[in-house]
Amino acid sequence: AQSVTQLDSHVSVSEGTPVLLRCNYSSSYSPSLFWYVQHPNKGLQLLLKYTSAATLVKGINGFEAEFKKSETSFHLTKPSAHMSDAAEYFCVVSGSARQLTFGSGTQLTVLP
Amino acid sequence: KAGVTQTPRYLIKTRGQQVTLSCSPISGHRSVSWYQQTPGQGLQFLFEYFSETQRNKGNFPGRFSGRQFSNSRSEMNVSTLELGDSALYLCASSDGGGNSYNEQFFGPGTRLTVL
Repeated sequence: AQSVTQLDSHVSVSEGTPVLLRCNYSSSYSPSLFWYVQHPNKGLQLLLKYTSAATLVKGINGFEAEFKKSETSFHLTKPSAHMSDAAEYFCVVSGSARQLTFGSGTQLTVLP
Repeated sequence: KAGVTQTPRYLIKTRGQQVTLSCSPISGHRSVSWYQQTPGQGLQFLFEYFSETQRNKGNFPGRFSGRQFSNSRSEMNVSTLELGDSALYLCASSDGGGNSYNEQFFGPGTRLTVL
């Protein structure tokens, strides 16, 4: 069984300040972990993925995430928020069945 | 390469009717997965098709069904629609290889409203 918990349903940051979106996971297998972003009325876009090659994963648009097995965490960070980063972010785990299990999402608001 | 396409983008139906949604995966991708997104339940996995066979299934009633054609295009059908079926239905494609690392590429979704 696998599950994902996104610890914050809403996060607000000011433009130019760091972003931290928190995610904890549970998986019976060595998991694949992903972060997806969804802009309003759009589909999901992959930001980055962890596939056991390196614990620090760099993605698109300056985002990165660090896999910490001891803490079962996969938090998403960005050094400096941009207005265009405002969207909903999903932490996702994939187990042996290739089925994606989504977290409940974190709505990121970027204030001018 | 063209992305994942879904048709129609918007649908309005009434309770008791049935509906068919279509998904065309990225060229060369053999796996198509379907997800339901609602404000209350979030994103939930419906099923996955690979080479015309259902390979994996989520926890949805039998009113939800799907199929995949030889060209990898997929359809999902919902019969006897209920108000609670109102949702964004997302299709995702991947190359469907044997491990769980395969990235899934999502389409824009079909917004279904049941009145």
